[in-house]
Amino acid sequence: LAKTTQPISMDSYEGQEVNITCSHNNIATNDYITWYQQFPSQGPRFIIQGYKTKVTNEVASLFIPADRKSSTLSLPRVSLSDTAVYYCLVGDGAGRRALTFGSGTRLQVQP
Amino acid sequence: DTGVSQDPRHKITKRGQNVTFRCDPISEHNRLYWYRQTLGQGPEFLTYFQNEAQLEKSRLLSDRFSAERPKGSFSTLEIQRTEQGDSAMYLCASSPVEKASGMYEQYFGPGTRLTVT
Repeated sequence: LAKTTQPISMDSYEGQEVNITCSHNNIATNDYITWYQQFPSQGPRFIIQGYKTKVTNEVASLFIPADRKSSTLSLPRVSLSDTAVYYCLVGDGAGRRALTFGSGTRLQVQP
Repeated sequence: DTGVSQDPRHKITKRGQNVTFRCDPISEHNRLYWYRQTLGQGPEFLTYFQNEAQLEKSRLLSDRFSAERPKGSFSTLEIQRTEQGDSAMYLCASSPVEKASGMYEQYFGPGTRLTVT
């Protein structure tokens, strides 16, 4: 399974754009990259998923370079409610069904 | 509310006692997962069902742990002879049938927080 590395924590202020980068040097050809968000005392929640280039939805963008060895989650204009832990996952699209979480990035948004 | 539900939300038990947790997945989701999460760590996979069949079990799932999903609907996770190291948040997730490509999104419940004293 591809292992991911992401910063332990990040700080930001309301209204700023936040970029969280994840490295996954051993990503396999059929692996997808997925990000989850988790608030205290809640289960993780799916944010976005991509395979290559750029993916955008109503809450975030995901940038994936051509070599796919890293990815960047971009949160535009964060608010206090975006304070959470963000997990980068690389999926074994051909086999194992379970998600493999790392320790995540703790984002703290200040007023 | 049509999300994943878990019961109870909190459980305090004494070491050596047995506990059972229940998970009700989103209806029509045929895949159900159990994870365990300790403070400051990401969730760790325990086991996975497709309908009523338990298809994968983590090495984390010792002989004291057992999970069932009768009739392919709700699932139960039982821990026998609980130990203090079992204290954690137990999360359940479900997902629909596999997509043609890519990973499928998993929908998590709120979790059951177990404290073993």
